[in-house]
Amino acid sequence: GGIITQTPKFLIGQEGQKLTLKCQQNFNHDTMYWYRQDSGKGLRLIYYSITENDLQKGDLSEGYDASREKKSSFSLTVTSAQKNEMAVFLCASKDWGREDTQYFGPGTRLLVL
Amino acid sequence: GDSVTQTEGPVTVSESESLIINCTYSATSIAYPNLFWYVRYPGEGLQLLLKVITAGQKGSSRGFEATYNKETTSFHLQKASVQESDSAVYYCALGGPQGGNTGKLIFGLGTTLQVQP
Repeated sequence: GGIITQTPKFLIGQEGQKLTLKCQQNFNHDTMYWYRQDSGKGLRLIYYSITENDLQKGDLSEGYDASREKKSSFSLTVTSAQKNEMAVFLCASKDWGREDTQYFGPGTRLLVL
Repeated sequence: GDSVTQTEGPVTVSESESLIINCTYSATSIAYPNLFWYVRYPGEGLQLLLKVITAGQKGSSRGFEATYNKETTSFHLQKASVQESDSAVYYCALGGPQGGNTGKLIFGLGTTLQVQP
């Protein structure tokens, strides 16, 4: 087994601020994902990475940057926080192959004042 | 395109009653869809409840069942007798080989289940 750790757990930012969220996994999984969850809108894919140093845009990549520094970590940056923005960011990982089960972290809750 | 539609919540049932949460999918770009139910219990992270990767098969976990029906493009979640501890948000998700095997999942909006004692 393994776990996914996300930091910070809560993030309060100011409008226009650049904010970075971090994700670590010890599953030794190849692929990692960042999702955004807004109330009543389900999960939407922001970025994903198939392997170290790979980056792929998801459906909601505008306004975000990502970085896969090493196999175990995947960071997401909100390039300019929007006023009154409130969402939960979920990190996930999965192993390479046809098996599609993703394992999720506990999430980072963002609030922009 | 690829999409998932599930029962709009909240769904409220009494303990020991039966439950069905509907899920239908559209998989236009996925040759062999995999289907999942994820659950988020209060205060916990999103976790896999059950999955089925072959059409016609049934998955089960914690008393819940779901059958992958390719003809009706459905994957409804059922339980014969719910408990208060089943109160959670349930997400139906669609995945499968999508050119490069990225493993992307497409989620429904989630259904909040409230079980009354």
